[in-house]
Amino acid sequence: GAGVSQSPRYKVAKRGQDVALRCDPISGHVSLFWYQQALGQGPEFLTYFQNEAQLDKSGLPSDRFFAERPEGSVSTLKIQRTQQEDSAVYLCASSLAGNEQYFGPGTRLTVT
Amino acid sequence: AQSVTQLDSQVPVFEEAPVELRCNYSSSVSVYLFWYVQYPNQGLQLLLKYLSGSTLVKGINGFEAEFNKSQTSFHLRKPSVHISDTAEYFCAVGSRPNFGNEKLTFGTGTRLTIIP
Repeated sequence: GAGVSQSPRYKVAKRGQDVALRCDPISGHVSLFWYQQALGQGPEFLTYFQNEAQLDKSGLPSDRFFAERPEGSVSTLKIQRTQQEDSAVYLCASSLAGNEQYFGPGTRLTVT
Repeated sequence: AQSVTQLDSQVPVFEEAPVELRCNYSSSVSVYLFWYVQYPNQGLQLLLKYLSGSTLVKGINGFEAEFNKSQTSFHLRKPSVHISDTAEYFCAVGSRPNFGNEKLTFGTGTRLTIIP
């Protein structure tokens, strides 16, 4: 497909488990963003990549959150030792630098 | 730092009536402004954006917004709504020029409900 894809769409994790969320951006898009959207809230910025370089991770809420984009395309957001407050929808977006962001459908994470 | 305030969390409107969704922003630098729509269980879709030039911006699905720098507002309007417009609407601001990181700051959203 031509859009941003994310997998899995839904993830249920027991508290303390590690999870990995995947984002496939639009081909050729240099910039990649991760956002966290809690229930009833707007998305909040987590981290930003330009190609494979992680240029901003100021929004990551704790050192349990880690993101990578090793080849400048697919990105993975990893959450270690999940907590209930991590329950949210995680949105990925990609863009050509300086242009509009295209969002994926998100991964809904529920921590029980 | 930037912030976005969406003054109405829910807006019910009768079908074919006009609607205005309000958005105010705060920023110490020049900004880009956006409106996104989110349908249930879907990602965000761009409705329209203000980058520069004319302060009246037209977007998809008949929506338009007006950038008012003195009032730091970017309200979204549609002259006649349809059932299919029922969704969550988010206003967002991005810094410019800042090529290298165009992260967006979003408001908390306005749920638009169209009443038949």
